[in-house]
Amino acid sequence: QKEVEQNSGPLSVPEGAIASLNCTYSDRGSQSFFWYRQYSGKSPELIMSIYSNGDKEDGRFTAQLNKASQYVSLLIRDSQPSDSATYLCAEYSGGGADGLTFGKGTHLIIQP
Amino acid sequence: GAGVSQSPSNKVTEKGKDVELRCDPISGHTALYWYRQRLGQGLEFLIYFQGNSAPDKSGLPSDRFSAERTGESVSTLTIQRTQQEDSAVYLCASSPAVQAYGYTFGSGTRLTVV
Repeated sequence: QKEVEQNSGPLSVPEGAIASLNCTYSDRGSQSFFWYRQYSGKSPELIMSIYSNGDKEDGRFTAQLNKASQYVSLLIRDSQPSDSATYLCAEYSGGGADGLTFGKGTHLIIQP
Repeated sequence: GAGVSQSPSNKVTEKGKDVELRCDPISGHTALYWYRQRLGQGLEFLIYFQGNSAPDKSGLPSDRFSAERTGESVSTLTIQRTQQEDSAVYLCASSPAVQAYGYTFGSGTRLTVV
């Protein structure tokens, strides 16, 4: 049974600071990792994908992957109140049989 | 279409009734996925389609759930004899192929069984 673990939070971060969201996964065969943002009452929206070890930057967002430690993180720089949402980590280990496996998400609150 | 379209957006049904949920994926996306999200919970994978084929139906919660897809287009998720525990948001997503692509989700159908 593949598992993706996230701290449910809430994680409270002051506006302008760096928000750090963490995720661990159980399947060493996992190939690809995704971060989704889900606003309350809305559907998940893909914000980052990462496939190889190291960092990947896109605007204020940086995804970090460490396959040896089975760990993936998302950093949000210069946090804004509009970043307040639940952030879902997901992994894909191939085969397609069960699609992406999602964590339960971390609720992030950016305090003005 | 421009995005993944789901209908209805909200459905209230009486316990024991059958419901049909519809998903229209992004044009050209061959892979289509159904997830369920209970209130305050994570996403629960139900089933995926590659074209109109569903290779693995083991994620469906019970035999009251079924899904089909016409070609590489519309999919329907049918729940027979609904129970209160079926109340959830049912999310559909599509991707260009069954590979390591991120998915695009529809806005979901909120099902309430009373």
